[in-house]
Amino acid sequence: KNEVEQSPQNLTAQEGEFITINCSYSVGISALHWLQQHPGGGIVSLFMLSSGKKKHGRLIATINIQEKHSSLHITASHPRDSAVYICAFGGGSQGNLIFGKGTKLSVKP
Amino acid sequence: AAGVIQSPRHLIKEKRETATLKCYPIPRHDTVYWYQQGPGQDPQFLISFYEKMQSDKGSIPDRFSAQQFSDYHSELNMSSLELGDSALYFCASSQPKKTVSYEQYFGPGTRLTVT
Repeated sequence: KNEVEQSPQNLTAQEGEFITINCSYSVGISALHWLQQHPGGGIVSLFMLSSGKKKHGRLIATINIQEKHSSLHITASHPRDSAVYICAFGGGSQGNLIFGKGTKLSVKP
Repeated sequence: AAGVIQSPRHLIKEKRETATLKCYPIPRHDTVYWYQQGPGQDPQFLISFYEKMQSDKGSIPDRFSAQQFSDYHSELNMSSLELGDSALYFCASSQPKKTVSYEQYFGPGTRLTVT
């Protein structure tokens, strides 16, 4: 069983829709990362959070450490949000990341 | 703001050749991580360095070696390349440990194609 599970694997939305991507993990962690990977490969760190909620622009990330669950929300989605969204957590003693399989989001105009 | 720099961005090699990938972390970042992402796969951790010493090791083949230099840049050396080594290789850097932050900043990746 993977240590981190994301859902859904693929998501298609219409521009303007509210989007939620979920991440569940099976081990105790101190912080969880949300990353964005665009076609072509580059990875951007969106959030690192260990409790509660963080907001950056139209992106909101929440985490419930007790329930081992995190969500990434995108409000007023836009075609430029189309990307793969990955949750990850530090798996090693020095913080190397263990990645989920990613959620491929496609936002249609 | 300065970001993580990787070079080259694209590399084409033949089987059994060697390749060297370079990573320049964000200034004052002392920890470097290397990840490998095969086609359609999630990234896998290879190796990390903290203060020029190897700090953790993941699924790095014995044919690969890496080091971190005095200026904190890191190089991943890959020998006897195989077709299965074709992948996107990411480097990430993080802030000094005293900040207790492992937020990682990723480079753009080096796309290695082995033919």
